[in-house]
This record gives sequence, structure tokens and C-alpha cells, in this order.
Amino acid sequence: DSGVTQTPKHLITATGQRVTLRCSPRSGDLSVYWYQQSLDQGLQFLIQYYNGEERAKGNILERFSAQQFPDLHSELNLSSLELGDSALYFCASNKDGPTYNEQFFGPGTRLTVL
Amino acid sequence: AQSVSQHNHHVILSEAASLELGCNYSYGGTVNLFWYVQYPGQHLQLLLKYFSGDPLVKGIKGFEAEFIKSKFSFNLRKPSVQWSDTAEYFCAASYSSASKIIFGSGTRLSIRP
Repeated sequence: DSGVTQTPKHLITATGQRVTLRCSPRSGDLSVYWYQQSLDQGLQFLIQYYNGEERAKGNILERFSAQQFPDLHSELNLSSLELGDSALYFCASNKDGPTYNEQFFGPGTRLTVL
Repeated sequence: AQSVSQHNHHVILSEAASLELGCNYSYGGTVNLFWYVQYPGQHLQLLLKYFSGDPLVKGIKGFEAEFIKSKFSFNLRKPSVQWSDTAEYFCAASYSSASKIIFGSGTRLSIRP
């Protein structure tokens, strides 16, 4: 158990819908990272937040957005869902933001878009 | 652009065989390197990391990796694999010039009992 929690574990929805994935970082960690893992794209970095502010952006689509709240939990919002958005979405956290520090990964949310 | 390549997509070995998984990273200045493992149905866990110093890094569960700067490589090794090593292995790099960690495409390791 890494100490990072993600909800829900599984999510099944239809194309065109909007979903919200939630992540709680390890206690004391200020930085949260979101990743998408799919069979064809592998593990892709989406976005990083540090203490409430966006720190870095990766291959995140405009239909996707994220935020980090004052209690440091983070939410990833996916809208206008397409079949290709079906994937495992991981959240990771670490203490102080520099990406050269080890990241601790959550168990992931498996999103299925039908 | 910075990138990480793992050329072996799927490796199948028998128990007690030796393992070497390849990882190459692109040049981009100072780099920190990681190997993560994802056991079936579980989250990614750090196996080992290299920041500086001794290029031979020892990690958990008997794994080690060698940083060879001249070859831009950070191959993962284990002298004798076990069935419980069945997992997906990801090499990753973080560059001081970029605020993100870049993962390779992963290598699926299957161990025959």
C-alpha cells in the first residue's frame, strides 16, 4: 500500500459523458501527478499539481482538466468521453515537487467508455 | 524531445534464468533514472533509482541496474528470476531541464514455473 488512494476503482460510462476521478495523496505530499495507461499509448504523463498550482503539463487533451484542492486532494475531470479514453488512470504523489524524486502511485481507476 | 525506449516488449523466461531488460534514454542533460514494477492488478512500485554516484544501483527483490552514460543505457538485471517476478517493468527518466518524468513503453516479463 503506497498511501495514495484513488476512487472509484472502476468506472463504466457512455461516450459523450463526463466523469471525475479522485486522488488523495500520501500524508504530507504536496505534489500530485496524473497518468493515463492504455494498451496502445503505454503510460503517459498528463499533468502535475504542486500545492494547488499547476506545475507541469504533459499529453493532456483539452477535454481533460484537473485541479488540486486546499486539502491537497486532486480531481481529474474527463468530458465528452470517447471510446479511446478507455484506460487506467493513475495518480501519484511525492513530497516536494521535483520530478526527480520517487513518485508513489495509487491503485488506479479503470475507465471503460462504451 | 526527451524519450525513453524499452525495446523488449515481452520477455519469457524459465525460473532461475538470468534477466536483463534494456532501457535507453535520450540525451537531455542531467538525468535521473528509475525502474518501476507493476505486478498484475497492482500499482506501480519503485524497484530502484539512480541520481548520481556509483553507476551500479541495487534495488529491492534482488534487482540491480547499471547506468552507462556513454551508451545512454540503464539496463535492469537479476541473476535468477522467480515466478513471482512476473510483472510489467517500466524504465523512466527525469531530466533536470523538464518538469516531468518520462516512462518507457514497458516490458512484460512472464516467468514459466
